[in-house]
Amino acid sequence: DSGVTQTPKHLITATGQRVTLRCSPRSGDLSVYWYQQSLDQGLQFLIQYYNGEERAKGNILERFSAQQFPDLHSELNLSSLELGDSALYFCASRSNQQAYGYTFGSGTRLTVV
Amino acid sequence: EDQVTQSPEALRLQEGESSSLNCSYTVSGLRGLFWYRQDPGKGPEFLFTLYSAGEEKEKERLKATLTKKESFLHITAPKPEDSATYLCAVQANAGNNRKLIWGLGTSLAVNP
Repeated sequence: DSGVTQTPKHLITATGQRVTLRCSPRSGDLSVYWYQQSLDQGLQFLIQYYNGEERAKGNILERFSAQQFPDLHSELNLSSLELGDSALYFCASRSNQQAYGYTFGSGTRLTVV
Repeated sequence: EDQVTQSPEALRLQEGESSSLNCSYTVSGLRGLFWYRQDPGKGPEFLFTLYSAGEEKEKERLKATLTKKESFLHITAPKPEDSATYLCAVQANAGNNRKLIWGLGTSLAVNP
């Protein structure tokens, strides 16, 4: 157990639907990062939050949004889902004392049918 | 453009057969280079951080080295449990941007 908790582990939904992925960072970590991993593109950075505020944006589609709540858990919202959104979605957290190493959760496998 | 390239894409070794994985990078000022291990269906697991050319880090059968253009992950006398995908990522020294740039990984299979 890495200390980063992601739910659900698996999600199957239809095209056009909306889903929410949840992440709880390691205790004490203020930063949360969301990544998408597909077979052909590897890990793609989506967005970062630090203590409730958006810090950096990567290749995140306009159909996707995220937020970090006062208790530091984060949610990634994916809407108008397309077949190509099927992927593993990882959350990672980082502490300032971790020599820049990120701790990843076990991921949510999203399948859009 | 910042870029990370890993080679080979896949590697199959016999148990005890040592080898090296390569991570080549181009980045405008290196803040750090990271190695991760990823097992199928799981999140990447942090292995090492390297900061400057000449630096080396070791952990059990793994040793990571860094030059100005590339990093190597040396695997000495591997065991079947070392089978995994090994990912390399770099962080550029670009203000407050904490984004990591990831390679596609090397899939390692160690046969008993």
